Amino acid sequence: TQLLEQSPQFLSIQEGENLTVYCNSSSVFSSLQWYRQEPGEGPVLLVTVVTGGEVKKLKRLTFQFGDARKDSSLHITAAQPGDTGLYLCAASGTYKYIFGTGTRLKVLA
Amino acid sequence: DAGVIQSPRHEVTEMGQEVTLRCKPISGHNSLFWYRQTMMRGLELLIYFNNNVPIDDSGMPEDRFSAKMPNASFSTLKIQPSEPRDSAVYFCASSYTVLGQPQHFGDGTRLSIL
Repeated sequence: TQLLEQSPQFLSIQEGENLTVYCNSSSVFSSLQWYRQEPGEGPVLLVTVVTGGEVKKLKRLTFQFGDARKDSSLHITAAQPGDTGLYLCAASGTYKYIFGTGTRLKVLA
Repeated sequence: DAGVIQSPRHEVTEMGQEVTLRCKPISGHNSLFWYRQTMMRGLELLIYFNNNVPIDDSGMPEDRFSAKMPNASFSTLKIQPSEPRDSAVYFCASSYTVLGQPQHFGDGTRLSIL
């Protein structure tokens, strides 16, 4: 069974702090996506990473795909209350698209 | 551009009743996915269609669940009879291809079975 494990499961930090969220698997993926979900809404795509070692930046968010394409990280610099939400990684498995277990982030003002 | 449209947004019904959830995917997308999300189990894939054909329904929990896609612009997820443990948020998503392409989600249907 292909699984995407995310850590930490929950994270509560103060505005202005930095944080890193991890997405790990024992499987190799051809691509990996990060989504953010806010209460009452569906997940919204943030970024897609394809190449091992790839780094993408989206304003204060930095995404990295592991060299072996088995893991990924999301780093947020100077977190703001607007970053609050559920962060999900997702990847194409052998026969289906799978989502990670999620990291629920709360940024306190 | 219109995103994925789901209806109803909220549904409250009594145990044993039939529930039908509806989804209109983004025009031009040829893959459609139904998910269920709960705090305990996270986001679970129930079934997905490619070009209106069901490809993998291994995530459908029981025979009480069924899904159809009669055409490229409409899909339904039906639960009959419904049970309290079916209470969850149900999402529909669509994409250009089955695997590898990011999915676009609707805002979900929050289902409560009393």
